[in-house]
Amino acid sequence: GENVEQHPSTLSVQEGDSAVIKCTYSDSASNYFPWYKQELGKGPQLIIDIRSNVGEKKDQRIAVTLNKTAKHFSLHITETQPEDSAVYFCAAVPNSGGSNYKLTFGKGTLLTVNP
Amino acid sequence: SQTIHQWPATLVQPVGSPLSLECTVEGTSNPNLYWYRQAAGRGLQLLFYSVGIGQISSEVPQNLSASRPQDRQFILSSKKLLLSDSGFYLCALIRGQGLVAYGYTFGSGTRLTVV
Repeated sequence: GENVEQHPSTLSVQEGDSAVIKCTYSDSASNYFPWYKQELGKGPQLIIDIRSNVGEKKDQRIAVTLNKTAKHFSLHITETQPEDSAVYFCAAVPNSGGSNYKLTFGKGTLLTVNP
Repeated sequence: SQTIHQWPATLVQPVGSPLSLECTVEGTSNPNLYWYRQAAGRGLQLLFYSVGIGQISSEVPQNLSASRPQDRQFILSSKKLLLSDSGFYLCALIRGQGLVAYGYTFGSGTRLTVV
């Protein structure tokens, strides 16, 4: 099955700096890669996603890049703010050949933005 | 827009007691529904998923079971809780069409503490 590795597990940055979180996946047939932000005590919230036919996607301070050949994708947060502090998860959806979509998650990155 | 309702938000149950967590969805039909558990340490573990009424697939052997009595209702149950069942339980909704996956939403979660 699909395997998703996420690094780093913790990341501390100063307010205004950039943060980068990287993930690799194993199933070359995976075609959808969402990123989630989870604040303490809440469910994960989708913040950005990318499909396998796109190399980069940007939404204000957040961007995601995908390298299909290398099977890795990254989340970039620019001009970080204290409210960006949370756990971030990457995920991949393997192409099971049917409709049984199952997200495989990375283990998460605890991002701390210091004022 | 699609929404997920989970209840209760928190639950404290004694070992050996039964469990019933409910998840209902709005704004979509025939969704794939998923139960995830998040133990301390952040990782998201897929427990069950359902592609339709009465259709349940189990990802890991455990003390829990799931049912889908209606298209927009997904229930997680246990006859006798164990201490190891403690965790943060999340219901997720995933819509797919053919081989295209889109629209991933999580509920707000249930914090279960077994004492």
